[in-house]
Amino acid sequence: SAVISQKPSRDICQRGTSLTIQCQVDSQVTMMFWYRQQPGQSLTLIATANQGSEATYESGFVIDKFPISRPNLTFSTLTVSNMSPEDSSIYLCSAPGSIRADTQYFGPGTRLTVL
Amino acid sequence: GENVEQHPSTLSVQEGDSAVIKCTYSDSASNYFPWYKQELGKRPQLIIDIRSNVGEKKDQRIAVTLNKTAKHFSLHITETQPEDSAVYFCAASRGGSQGNLIFGKGTKLSVKP
Repeated sequence: SAVISQKPSRDICQRGTSLTIQCQVDSQVTMMFWYRQQPGQSLTLIATANQGSEATYESGFVIDKFPISRPNLTFSTLTVSNMSPEDSSIYLCSAPGSIRADTQYFGPGTRLTVL
Repeated sequence: GENVEQHPSTLSVQEGDSAVIKCTYSDSASNYFPWYKQELGKRPQLIIDIRSNVGEKKDQRIAVTLNKTAKHFSLHITETQPEDSAVYFCAASRGGSQGNLIFGKGTKLSVKP
């Protein structure tokens, strides 16, 4: 498996503000991924974070709303900008396993509530 | 666009019985099919996965089968236990990117003692 940590684990924010979520992996990986899980729903990919290049966003997600940084091979951040109550979700990062690189593991998630 | 259909959405079984969850996918280029178990308030946990060059994989009480021609894959849990109760998600990779996953909507499995 992979050891993936996220900060913060949860937060309550006011609308119009921004929150940056951090993801740390215990091994060097080329690609990290950011997902959103709305309450009671499945997971949806927001973007792929490649080290050394711009993130690749999925349909329905844009860089201005969800800017991503990938400064090195073990770390990434996702910012949720100009938040509204509709952004209330769990945000999870994922990365390949450290032993089996052909597998995919998830961080513990960040539970975001926007008031 | 690509999608993954998952059935049933809820499944209730008696302890000791078997449970089967089925998924279909649309992207012919998908080659990685993981299954995740998510307990309330916790992260999705990878329980088993299969690649397109394999038809079946087993790990103790859990098995996954893949029919690439029909674009079907299934999760089989035998001898279910109450601790198997959770939401199970199937997923298929977009093309060959194992981290770029399309998820099914999930199956809530309840195992009654």
